[in-house]
Amino acid sequence: EPEVTQTPSHQVTQMGQEVILRCVPISNHLYFYWYRQILGQKVEFLVSFYNNEISEKSEIFDDQFSVERPDGSNFTLKIRSTKLEDSAMYFCASNPGQGNTEAFFGQGTRLTVV
Amino acid sequence: AQSVSQHNHHVILSEAASLELGCNYSYGGTVNLFWYVQYPGQHLQLLLKYFSGDPLVKGIKGFEAEFIKSKFSFNLRKPSVQWSDTAEYFCAGGSYGGSQGNLIFGKGTKLSVKP
Repeated sequence: EPEVTQTPSHQVTQMGQEVILRCVPISNHLYFYWYRQILGQKVEFLVSFYNNEISEKSEIFDDQFSVERPDGSNFTLKIRSTKLEDSAMYFCASNPGQGNTEAFFGQGTRLTVV
Repeated sequence: AQSVSQHNHHVILSEAASLELGCNYSYGGTVNLFWYVQYPGQHLQLLLKYFSGDPLVKGIKGFEAEFIKSKFSFNLRKPSVQWSDTAEYFCAGGSYGGSQGNLIFGKGTKLSVKP
């Protein structure tokens, strides 16, 4: 069964450093998303991406964040100058984009900023 | 503002007990509703979804949920839980039509089933 894959599973970085979280969405899906879940809190929508551009973003997704689809398969989330409060589980998801369908989630990348 | 709320933070049950997890939503317009499950160390998996039609939806692993529009609720039920149902359960909502990835999640309910 096709699945969304994310790498790495756990990333530790020093405050102020840049990190790139990687995702390979399901082939032929058209919509891609990033969510995050701070420990003990809700899963929060960050950004959606369609047709090579951001289609929607939340207020969390400020200038510190950027997304890119550098090739036909990867979908990345870059966090510049990480802060302690960026520590969270980051989930990538994709959606076929045809009619009413659900999002399929990856296993997540746990980001720890020290 | 759109929101999804889950009433219970942690539910502890014995095997064979019945389960009902509460979910309420606040949305302008038509809403699609989902229940996702996250087993320890695994990704979010869809249990069931409601888009339209029969308000009683059946999902995988014996779970079902009922959409009650008048109560703005979409509670998850299972008549008899198993130890393997131990997981965290998330209710989520999305606007009708188009891509459903822009979901708003509830805070999650952790279910612990004692053998």
